[in-house]
Amino acid sequence: DQQVKQNSPSLSVQEGRISILNCDYTNSMFDYFLWYKKYPAEGPTFLISISSIKDKNEDGRFTVFLNKSAKHLSLHIVPSQPGDSAVYFCAARGGGLDSNYQLIWGAGTKLIIKP
Amino acid sequence: SAVISQKPSRDICQRGTSLTIQCQVDSQVTMMFWYRQQPGQSLTLIATANQGSEATYESGFVIDKFPISRPNLTFSTLTVSNMSPEDSSIYLCSVGGRGKGDTEAFFGQGTRLTVV
Repeated sequence: DQQVKQNSPSLSVQEGRISILNCDYTNSMFDYFLWYKKYPAEGPTFLISISSIKDKNEDGRFTVFLNKSAKHLSLHIVPSQPGDSAVYFCAARGGGLDSNYQLIWGAGTKLIIKP
Repeated sequence: SAVISQKPSRDICQRGTSLTIQCQVDSQVTMMFWYRQQPGQSLTLIATANQGSEATYESGFVIDKFPISRPNLTFSTLTVSNMSPEDSSIYLCSVGGRGKGDTEAFFGQGTRLTVV
């Protein structure tokens, strides 16, 4: 039972273009959604998040969009740079009480930026 | 923020043996989390390590297989016991991201375990 799905295992984008990474979820009780970036031999590092009460959050080249009715979020990177090549994980956080704010993770999308 | 040092970064182990992974945080934290990432899979929470009490294990994970120690507020260990090739994964320790106003989790660099 995958509550958070990243259906694209990999994505290849030309440098300078927009990268769009997608994530779908099933649980409408999630209160926060987060994107993490992971380089080989390193742990995931936090990139950007969005509260369930918002539909957009922007931080520099990174924008996350949330569509609650579709239970879908996306991460846009523009312009894409070679250093953006990494695995991107989508994570959703359960609210308090029973879920204890547990993070539920997608399987990741490997982004490759071509020069 | 938190800086987490995890070691070893990788190991190749014989089946039937055990490996202990260490995680050191640069600040005191109440909860530390241990995750597993099997090849091509998402991060899966193994257990939550609380200082001064037994670890809380997620469904599918048991203490006999993954004993955890938490001797103080900055350190924890995870042991992978009686290993089999199916235990080959990346193991990660993590802090944060689990409070109402705390949405960011921090991770160690991970331990890549290969069981042969």
